[in-house]
Amino acid sequence: RKEVEQDPGPFNVPEGATVAFNCTYSNSASQSFFWYRQDCRKEPKLLMSVYSSGNEDGRFTAQLNRASQYISLLIRDSKLSDSATYLCVVNPPEYGNKLVFGAGTILRVKS
Amino acid sequence: DTAVSQTPKYLVTQMGNDKSIKCEQNLGHDTMYWYKQDSKKFLKIMFSYNNKELIINETVPNRFSPKSPDKAHLNLHINSLELGDSAVYFCASSQDAGSSYNEQFFGPGTRLTVL
Repeated sequence: RKEVEQDPGPFNVPEGATVAFNCTYSNSASQSFFWYRQDCRKEPKLLMSVYSSGNEDGRFTAQLNRASQYISLLIRDSKLSDSATYLCVVNPPEYGNKLVFGAGTILRVKS
Repeated sequence: DTAVSQTPKYLVTQMGNDKSIKCEQNLGHDTMYWYKQDSKKFLKIMFSYNNKELIINETVPNRFSPKSPDKAHLNLHINSLELGDSAVYFCASSQDAGSSYNEQFFGPGTRLTVL
């Protein structure tokens, strides 16, 4: 089983739609979780950290379910500029700052 | 100002050659990383240095040798390049290796093609 698994997509949605991605992780001792965004042929950039209580940043909501070992990202009112690959990222406990990246979920928002 | 910079941006070379990629960060961070993103888009950590000291060394062929002359620089030297080394190599940095919620900032990547 891969350490971090994501549905690769692509998710094709119209502008204004709500879209949700899930991600599962294998190491139950993982401590911290993130969503990164990667545009085509660009570097990954942090979108948001995922806290146990769940957190929201504008149109983006991230949630963590430790019992089921999955993380979700909800995007409301999708914009064309949201088109990108969304990387689920987990920090396993062995090293302080080692991150394990999922392969990413492709989102395409169409007008 | 570029926070994390890498050179070169593109590198095309023949099998068997030796090449280096350079990385510099001007964020004052203590920790730097090298990642490899292959054709399937998996981003995998290769090495991590904290204040010039190697702290993460994943299962990477010993043809790959990182070098950190100071905490703002982390270079990657690759000997005897192979076709399978073709990938995008990203450098990254973060503030403190001890805290797991520190954001990692990535450089623009070096696209290596081995012919």
